[in-house]
Amino acid sequence: AQKVTQAQTEISVVEKEDVTLDCVYETRDTTYYLFWYKQPPSGELVFLIRRNSFDEQNEISGRYSWNFQKSTSSFNFTITASQVVDSAVYFCALSRISSGSARQLTFGSGTQLTVLP
Amino acid sequence: EPEVTQTPSHQVTQMGQEVILRCVPISNHLYFYWYRQILGQKVEFLVSFYNNEISEKSEIFDDQFSVERPDGSNFTLKIRSTKLEDSAMYFCASGVGGSSYEQYFGPGTRLTVT
Repeated sequence: AQKVTQAQTEISVVEKEDVTLDCVYETRDTTYYLFWYKQPPSGELVFLIRRNSFDEQNEISGRYSWNFQKSTSSFNFTITASQVVDSAVYFCALSRISSGSARQLTFGSGTQLTVLP
Repeated sequence: EPEVTQTPSHQVTQMGQEVILRCVPISNHLYFYWYRQILGQKVEFLVSFYNNEISEKSEIFDDQFSVERPDGSNFTLKIRSTKLEDSAMYFCASGVGGSSYEQYFGPGTRLTVT
């Protein structure tokens, strides 16, 4: 069975602070994908990043960066110089790598990030 | 940029009634999904659909639920006899398939069962 844990239910920071959202996962698969999605107050789910389990290079995209550590089963997400528009619920998710069609996402419970002006 | 669309945005129905939630996935995508999110909770997988058949379904997706791709563009979720606990946001998602595992979500349909 797969499981994703986001222990931080709510985080509040002041604009321009850096913030890290934690994600820990469990899976018996040796290869898998990890994802982050953003859910702003409007409710839609916005894809942010996909990471392969066999690629542990960290990734940076503008103010966003992701730290994947297979040894600790963690895939943490850092927002640098946070902005009010970053306020949203952020979900970490996991998918097995399947040659077939079993590609459903297992989501964590989400972290509500509030960035105060 | 192509996107997944869903209608209606909000559906209110009485317990025991049938509802059909509609989705138009991105046109060249081959994998289709339904997820639900009860207010304030995590997003939960319901069902995946590929090659005109269900490929995976969760425990939530019982006999009250069904999916259909009636034509080349629409993908529907039917709940035969709604219960109060079916109240949730229902998200449709689609993916290209192949080596791409990204799923792109629609804006959701909020279902309220009274």
